[in-house]
Amino acid sequence: AQSVTQLDSHVSVSEGTPVLLRCNYSSSYSPSLFWYVQHPNKGLQLLLKYTSAATLVKGINGFEAEFKKSETSFHLTKPSAHMSDAAEYFCVVRLVAGNNRKLIWGLGTSLAVNP
Amino acid sequence: SAVISQKPSRDICQRGTSLTIQCQVDSQVTMMFWYRQQPGQSLTLIATANQGSEATYESGFVIDKFPISRPNLTFSTLTVSNMSPEDSSIYLCSVETAEDEQFFGPGTRLTVL
Repeated sequence: AQSVTQLDSHVSVSEGTPVLLRCNYSSSYSPSLFWYVQHPNKGLQLLLKYTSAATLVKGINGFEAEFKKSETSFHLTKPSAHMSDAAEYFCVVRLVAGNNRKLIWGLGTSLAVNP
Repeated sequence: SAVISQKPSRDICQRGTSLTIQCQVDSQVTMMFWYRQQPGQSLTLIATANQGSEATYESGFVIDKFPISRPNLTFSTLTVSNMSPEDSSIYLCSVETAEDEQFFGPGTRLTVL
C-alpha cells in the first residue's frame, strides 16, 4: 500500500534561514511524488513533482526536493525563507492501479516564518 | 497547466437541503476529482469522475449522498445532498493533465446550519 508521512505538523523558521519540510513515503514501486502549497484562504498550488527523472527536483519560488530511494524520503527545502512562504505544505504520492489513479495526501506541515 | 473555476465560491445552507457545486476547466481533460477539506486538515478524495462513465467513490462516500455528473470533458458537478452540519467543509475539484499533474479549483466553502 502507498502512503505518505509528513514528519512535522508545524515548522517555524526565521526569515532568511533555511527551510526543511520532511516527507517519507511508502510505495511498492517507483512513485510519483509532489509537493503542494496552500496559502491562507487560497487555492492549492503545485510546487514541484518527481516522476523518476532527476532525483533533485527544482520547483517554483526557490523550493527544491530530493528523492532518496534508500531513505524513502522526499524532503522539501529552500535555502532562505521569505515571509511569503508562510503557508500549509502537503507532500503527496500518486497511486496508479490499472485505470484507477489518485493522489494520497500527507496531513500537511504548517510553515511559519518569523521576522 | 489548467485553469479551473468553481461555483459557488461559498454558501451557507440549511440542514436537509442540497447544494450543487459546479466545476469548469479551460481545457478538455479525462480525469476530474472531487475532494473535501475540513478546516485545518488535509484533503480527502470523495470520488473520481471520468467522462462517459459512472463516478468511482472512495470508502465512506456514496452516490446517494454525493451524486456527481460529468457531461463532457470540461465540466462536472458535485451535489451534497440532505446536508447536515458535518458536511461543512471546503469542496475542491481538480483535474489531471497529460503531464500527470493535478490542478485544483479555488474551492467552495460550505457552511451548513
